[in-house]
Amino acid sequence: GIQVEQSPPDLILQEGANSTLRCNFSDSVNNLQWFHQNPWGQLINLFYIPSGTKQNGRLSATTVATERYSLLYISSSQTTDSGVYFCAVAPSGSARQLTFGSGTQLTVLP
Amino acid sequence: DGGITQSPKYLFRKEGQNVTLSCEQNLNHDAMYWYRQDPGQGLRLIYYSQIVNDFQKGDIAEGYSVSREKKESFPLTVTSAQKNPTAFYLCASRPTGEGTGELFFGEGSRLTVL
Repeated sequence: GIQVEQSPPDLILQEGANSTLRCNFSDSVNNLQWFHQNPWGQLINLFYIPSGTKQNGRLSATTVATERYSLLYISSSQTTDSGVYFCAVAPSGSARQLTFGSGTQLTVLP
Repeated sequence: DGGITQSPKYLFRKEGQNVTLSCEQNLNHDAMYWYRQDPGQGLRLIYYSQIVNDFQKGDIAEGYSVSREKKESFPLTVTSAQKNPTAFYLCASRPTGEGTGELFFGEGSRLTVL
């Protein structure tokens, strides 16, 4: 099946810093989503981005489908940004069931 | 409000007992999914259904069963055959059709086997 690799696995930042999270995947996809998992376990949808670039406030994401990677940018980080960030993809031709990466654990210090 | 409701949020079970986790959505979505998450890990697909009365196994279906008798409902039964059932279970759904691939998740059910 499709492989999804996220880096870095752990990231510690000072409040106000910027960061870039990366997601590499091994095959063509028809769905790519970024999620933030909060301390209670809920998955918050950040971006649905199988290709192109999107922005939502301090967060933005870019997917280069031809090169099989996606980047999530967090600017001016806040302590509430802490948590686990997951990238998930669905292979082209599939029923869009997502395969998840192992996540990036982000800690933002005050 | 529209959304995906999972219940119960927390569940304790003795070894050898079956347990059923509920997932209900009022988003009029055709496709529904069940995922399992272990501590410090990503999510893994258990079962999914694209239409009523039809479902397919995911990557880790052994020890689980599902039904899809209604569009709104996709319950998951964790059977006694599941060797390590303690985990966090998440249900998801999405609309079908052109350009509609985004999955949305419920808040999850945390199962502990004593």
